[in-house]
Parts: sequence; C-alpha cells; structure tokens
Amino acid sequence: TQLLEQSPQFLSIQEGENLTVYCNSSSVFSSLQWYRQEPGEGPVLLVTVVTGGEVKKLKRLTFQFGDARKDSSLHITAAQPGDTGLYLCAGAHTGTASKLTFGTGTRLQVTL
Amino acid sequence: KAGVTQTPRYLIKTRGQQVTLSCSPISGHRSVSWYQQTPGQGLQFLFEYFSETQRNKGNFPGRFSGRQFSNSRSEMNVSTLELGDSALYLCASRRITSGVSGTGELFFGEGSRLTVL
Repeated sequence: TQLLEQSPQFLSIQEGENLTVYCNSSSVFSSLQWYRQEPGEGPVLLVTVVTGGEVKKLKRLTFQFGDARKDSSLHITAAQPGDTGLYLCAGAHTGTASKLTFGTGTRLQVTL
Repeated sequence: KAGVTQTPRYLIKTRGQQVTLSCSPISGHRSVSWYQQTPGQGLQFLFEYFSETQRNKGNFPGRFSGRQFSNSRSEMNVSTLELGDSALYLCASRRITSGVSGTGELFFGEGSRLTVL
C-alpha cells in the first residue's frame, strides 16, 4: 500500500522552465526526505525536512514541508537537463529512520 | 571514501531457485537496510539490521530473509523465487548518530537487479 502519493507522475519540460512536484499523505511523518535517482544508480538524498512549515533551499531547488507534516513539495526554478531523473519523497516516523515509506515517484525529463 | 557496494549487480534466476545478495556498507556505518524497487510498487522497505540484529521489518513474506555480520556487511536471501520477485534490490547504510534508530542520512548502493524467469 502506497501511503505517499506524488504528482505528477511524469513531467517533460524544456530547459529554463519552472516546475513543482507534490507529495501527499494521509499519515503524519516525523520527517520527510527528497531523493533523486538516476538510471542504474541508487537514490541520492537531496534534503530532509523535519518541522511543519519548514522551507529549505538547495540552489535552484526549494523544498517545503506542510504545516501538518502530511505533505511536501519540491519546486525547481529554471530547470536544467542535469535535473533529469526520478524524484522520490520518503517519510519516516520517529525512531525508525531507516524504515522509509517512499512515494510513487515523479519522473522528470528536461530537454534543451 | 568508498560508497555502498552491492554484488552481484545483475543476475538471472528461474522460478523456485534461491538467491543471495550481498551488501558492504560505508566504513563506519553500522545500520544496513534493504529495499525492493519495482515499476508497479515503487521502493518498499524490506528490513534493517544493526549490530547483527534485525531492527525493523517490512511487509514481505518469510521467503525474504537477511543477516548482518560482525563487520556490518549484510546479505539478503530470497528462497523459492517467484516471477514477481524480479526487481532492483537496493541496500542502504547509515551511520547511527542519535540512538539505535535515530537520525542519519541513508546512503544507497547501485542495487542488484534480479530477473526471475
């Protein structure tokens, strides 16, 4: 059972465009992480958010954790081809940091 | 420093066989977790080992098992393989920074891609 729904599932945009990926859950998580996975590789952690309402910025990427800690968003400004990949959100409950519940994933393709 | 190493990278088995996958965590990382990734179900947690003990377990049948050795290396075994076990099996290690199950970034290996025919 997938507890974290991501939208959209697929996104194909041109370089320079902005985009937002959403991660929604009916469960409350103590922390939420965002990963990016490229073909043939394992997921790589981008950010961890732990406080409701928290906003974190990583260069052109902005992550937000919902006030109720049930949802999150990832906004990319001026997307570049290097941003192409599978974006995954993952929630963790207190005391089980390795037992992540992953989202359904958003596959992003950025073309020139 | 070396990352998480998984072997083998690719393997093909037939239904009914068993398979053992290996994972060497990053040096100093004592927690090792296993995940299954399929197109239909996405990434799903299998189990976590810490200090040679299983700490958490996901919702997988008993055919899926694992163990951890004193040097933190881990293996997972799948017995009586089914077609649906075809997947990318990912191992992740973590340095425990706050208690046994506290925080700490997960570092994933490149995975072992299992195909069951």
